[in-house]
Amino acid sequence: NAGVTQTPKFQVLKTGQSMTLQCAQDMNHNSMYWYRQDPGMGLRLIYYSASEGTTDKGEVPNGYNVSRLNKREFSLRLESAAPSQTSVYFCASSGGSGQPQHFGDGTRLSIL
Amino acid sequence: TQLLEQSPQFLSIQEGENLTVYCNSSSVFSSLQWYRQEPGEGPVLLVTVVTGGEVKKLKRLTFQFGDARKDSSLHITAAQPGDTGLYLCAGGRPARQLTFGSGTQLTVLP
Repeated sequence: NAGVTQTPKFQVLKTGQSMTLQCAQDMNHNSMYWYRQDPGMGLRLIYYSASEGTTDKGEVPNGYNVSRLNKREFSLRLESAAPSQTSVYFCASSGGSGQPQHFGDGTRLSIL
Repeated sequence: TQLLEQSPQFLSIQEGENLTVYCNSSSVFSSLQWYRQEPGEGPVLLVTVVTGGEVKKLKRLTFQFGDARKDSSLHITAAQPGDTGLYLCAGGRPARQLTFGSGTQLTVLP
C-alpha cells in the first residue's frame, strides 16, 4: 500500500533556482496539504487543498506556489529558492478538514 | 507563540521507566490527535480523542483529553527503545486546519 508518495526524497539547490516537489496519494482523499518541518518548530502548514480544484494559503505561504493537478496529485513549487527554505517538506492527505492525516516520508531540501 | 505547547521538548529515559508528555493550549479543540514520527519518516497517527475527559489506551500508551478540551497528555508505561521518536499533538477546530505542536523528542535508552 503506497499511501502518500513524495518525490524526490533529497534535493540540493542553489539560491535562485526553481523546483517542484511532487506528491500523490492513492487513498481517494479529498484534502491534501504541504508542510515544512524545522527543528523546534513542529509542522507548519504552507498550503492546502480542501478539495480538487481549490487551494488555500496556510501559515507560511510566502515563496511557494501549489497546484492541485487532480484528486490524487498536489505539487509544491519554489520559484526562486532561498536559503531560508532549507527544510524537510511533508505532503499529507486526509478525508477532510480536521480528520487524521496520512503523511509521506518527506523531501529533504537544502538550498545553498 | 505556538497555539499548542508541548512539554518537555526533549526527554531521555532508561528502558522500563514511565513517562508523561503534555500538550497544552489556551484554545478549545474539537479533537486532539497524537502522532509519532521516526527518523526519516513522516508522522503516523496514534490516536484521536474527541470528548472532554476521554481516556484511550493503546497497549502501553495512555492518552487523555482534558475536561475542558484545551489540553492532553500521553503516558507511556515501561518504555522500550522502540518507543523512541518525536511525539506530536495536533488540535482540530471546526472549519480550520489542524494545528500541530512543536513536539516532544523521546529517547529510550536500552
